[in-house]
Order: sequence, then structure tokens, then C-alpha cells
Amino acid sequence: TQLLEQSPQFLSIQEGENLTVYCNSSSVFSSLQWYRQEPGEGPVLLVTVVTGGEVKKLKRLTFQFGDARKDSSLHITAAQPGDTGLYLCAGYMDSNYQLIWGAGTKLIIKP
Amino acid sequence: SQTIHQWPATLVQPVGSPLSLECTVEGTSNPNLYWYRQAAGRGLQLLFYSIGIGQISSEVPQNLSASRPQDRQFILSSKKLLLSDSGFYLCAWSGGQGNSPLHFGNGTRLTVT
Repeated sequence: TQLLEQSPQFLSIQEGENLTVYCNSSSVFSSLQWYRQEPGEGPVLLVTVVTGGEVKKLKRLTFQFGDARKDSSLHITAAQPGDTGLYLCAGYMDSNYQLIWGAGTKLIIKP
Repeated sequence: SQTIHQWPATLVQPVGSPLSLECTVEGTSNPNLYWYRQAAGRGLQLLFYSIGIGQISSEVPQNLSASRPQDRQFILSSKKLLLSDSGFYLCAWSGGQGNSPLHFGNGTRLTVT
């Protein structure tokens, strides 16, 4: 059983559309991180959210941490082909210093 | 600035042969070091992590081992590879402080034939 459930697992949409990726858990996390990975490369950190209810924006990407710090979402506005990649969420639990990883969302943006 | 180097980028090895993947970090001292394996297009499975020289923790029983002979060097090894060892292996480091992000190398694609 995954401690962090990501959905959807796969998403293919047209350029210009909006989308949201979810990262959910029944456990509380002290922080959540979002990474983006391109084929043949390692994941790269996009953002860290720490405070319940926190919202961070990175150009067309908006990240939100749930009020109870059990879930997070990534919203992309007007998706571009360059947004294509594997999006991974990962979190630190208060009681464990190891990162817990979601299984990833594979996103394809078609021109 | 900190950098992480991982090599080789790709490797094809026969079943039963040994393995040595190396990872080095520059620009930081006493990092936490990690070895992950990733199934195609999926999430990461933690194999080993190290909080200091000679200190290795194994997360999953397997045919692999890890060593940290120097502060910024992390090695993944096997004496005899299995077909099931094929995969994408990633090395990463973190600062070790609370909520620290991980910084990854570019990975090694291992194919065992």
C-alpha cells in the first residue's frame, strides 16, 4: 500500500488545456515536495510546501498543500509540450526522516 | 555550487557478472547519500542510504550492496547480477536537515542479459 497516492497515473492532453495532479495520504506530512523527471534523467525539485494551506506558484504551475498536511495538488494552466514528463510527489513524515514517494504521474502534452 | 556525478550512464552486463556503479558529490560536505531504483515511468524505490562514511542502511533485501568509502563517494555493487537487477538506478544526496530536498544524478540504465 502506497503511503502517498498519486492520481492520475497517466494523463495525455492537448496543448493549452489545464490539468491537476493529486497527491493524497491518510498520514500527516511535515512537508511535501514535487519533482519533475524527464526520460533518462534524474528527478528535479520543483517546489517544497511546508505549511498547511500553503500555495506556491511557479509560472504556470500552482502547488497547494492541504490544510491538514495530508495531501497536495499540482495545477498546470495552459499546458505546453515542454511540461511533458513524470511528476513525482514526495513527503517527509513527522516521525520519519526518510522521504516517502508517490508512484508518479506521467504527463504528455500534445502540440 | 553542488554537483553530483553518476556513471556510467548505460551498462549492459551478463547474468552472473559483477557490478559497480559510482556516485560522487562535489561542493558539500557530509551529505546524506541515497541509491534508488526506478521501474520504467514509475516511482522510486529506496535501496540504500548513508548518513556518513561507512554507515549504510539497507531498505530492501536484495542482491545488491552499497559502500561509502569517502564522505562524498557512494558505490552500488553486486557480486553476481540477476536478470531482475535490470533497471534505472539513481544516486542522490541531501543536506540532511529537516525537509531537505534530494538532488539526483542522471541515473544509470542497467540491462542484465
